[in-house]
Amino acid sequence: GAVVSQHPSWVICKSGTSVKIECRSLDFQATTMFWYRQFPKQSLMLMATSNEGSKATYEQGVEKDKFLINHASLTLSTLTVTSAHPEDSSFYICSANSGKGVETQYFGPGTRLLVL
Amino acid sequence: AQSVTQPDIHITVSEGASLELRCNYSYGATPYLFWYVQSPGQGLQLLLKYFSGDTLVQGIKGFEAEFKRSQSSFNLRKPSVHWSDAAEYFCAVGAGTGTASKLTFGTGTRLQVTL
Repeated sequence: GAVVSQHPSWVICKSGTSVKIECRSLDFQATTMFWYRQFPKQSLMLMATSNEGSKATYEQGVEKDKFLINHASLTLSTLTVTSAHPEDSSFYICSANSGKGVETQYFGPGTRLLVL
Repeated sequence: AQSVTQPDIHITVSEGASLELRCNYSYGATPYLFWYVQSPGQGLQLLLKYFSGDTLVQGIKGFEAEFKRSQSSFNLRKPSVHWSDAAEYFCAVGAGTGTASKLTFGTGTRLQVTL
């Protein structure tokens, strides 16, 4: 149980285009999902917290107009990188839990984005 | 705000040797502590977690961790390392009330296992 998937697993795009990454909880309902960014050989940095049916909460320094998050259902959250640039190239990881207080987050396998 | 320190960036151990990965945290209340493992290019897998109760926590793959409040530590241990344990290990502290916890990760420790 507690499986989280991400799609696509990797994507290459041209500078200036937008890229959408999906995060799905496959066997549980996730009222809260989190989006992290990980640069090579570095730790995970929380970008935003996504709650179903409400606006995402972004961490300080994260451009909400650039990283659009939509948590449309209890099993799906999407991250759209708008007008991507090479510096947006990174490993994006989502996690999910059911939001019932502090509990374990289950992580997706990650999406590697390369912007040319 | 909470923070996590993993003092060791890189550790090399021989297969069969014991392992201890250090983790120190800073948090004003009772912390929720986690250890995750990440293989190259992969997501994170939960090894173990501590919320309350017994301070010695058993996890998967033969790992255990001990919560020591007096030292603000949550070190990960394994008595005998296998070559497949080579990976990046992240300690994390969770904080939150009423809603899902926000995790703060340490910088990670890369484990190399020599045969």
